Amino acid sequence: DIQMTQSPSSLSASVGDRVTITCRASQGIFSSLAWYQQKPGQVPKLLIYAASTLQAGVPSRFSGAGSGTDFTLTISSLQPEDVATYYCQRYNIAPFTFGPGTTVDIK
Amino acid sequence: QVQLVQSGVEVKKPGASVKVSCKASGYSFSNYALSWVRQAPGQGLEWMGWISPYNGNTNYAQKFQGRVTMTTETSTSTAYMEVRSLTSDDTAVYYCARWRHMGEISLPYWGQGTLVIVSS
Repeated sequence: DIQMTQSPSSLSASVGDRVTITCRASQGIFSSLAWYQQKPGQVPKLLIYAASTLQAGVPSRFSGAGSGTDFTLTISSLQPEDVATYYCQRYNIAPFTFGPGTTVDIK
Repeated sequence: QVQLVQSGVEVKKPGASVKVSCKASGYSFSNYALSWVRQAPGQGLEWMGWISPYNGNTNYAQKFQGRVTMTTETSTSTAYMEVRSLTSDDTAVYYCARWRHMGEISLPYWGQGTLVIVSS
């Protein structure tokens, strides 16, 4: 199976900072990657699909990039409401594995 | 609007089975596959498998093959996921989530989650 890794596992940044999270697949997955945000006690929320397409209603400070094996999720200006755990998920072929998650908080 | 409403909290003993339901509304149930995802306390998201209500096709993560069964009932627009031979490791919140469409498997719609507690 294709394995997914994320880095860093956690980060702390200041409000207004640019934050980048990396997701790496052990084999190429084309652009079949999604990013989810999960706030404590809440249901996961889709942010980005097809590696770089912003889900409707998601603030434009979120962006995704990459294809093949290396992907990034960027928050251009971190806001207090962005405190959450972020997961990538590949879906090129089953099993549609999630990454282990990156926890983002405010410094 | 698309809604997925799941059944309530379940408390089970080790060795028992649990069947979680996911009732869909606001769209044509047969036209969109569903994935099931679980999350153990304090842990990440774990993909369990998917089912197509159109033809009943399923695909399970290897870890769950033989112990998990996903079904749908199109007359009531409801999906079910049964887990057998429960152990404490199965204590988790179980989510159903709908695919964007059959060619795009990201998950824009999620149920509220069902907490399953396995304890003697």
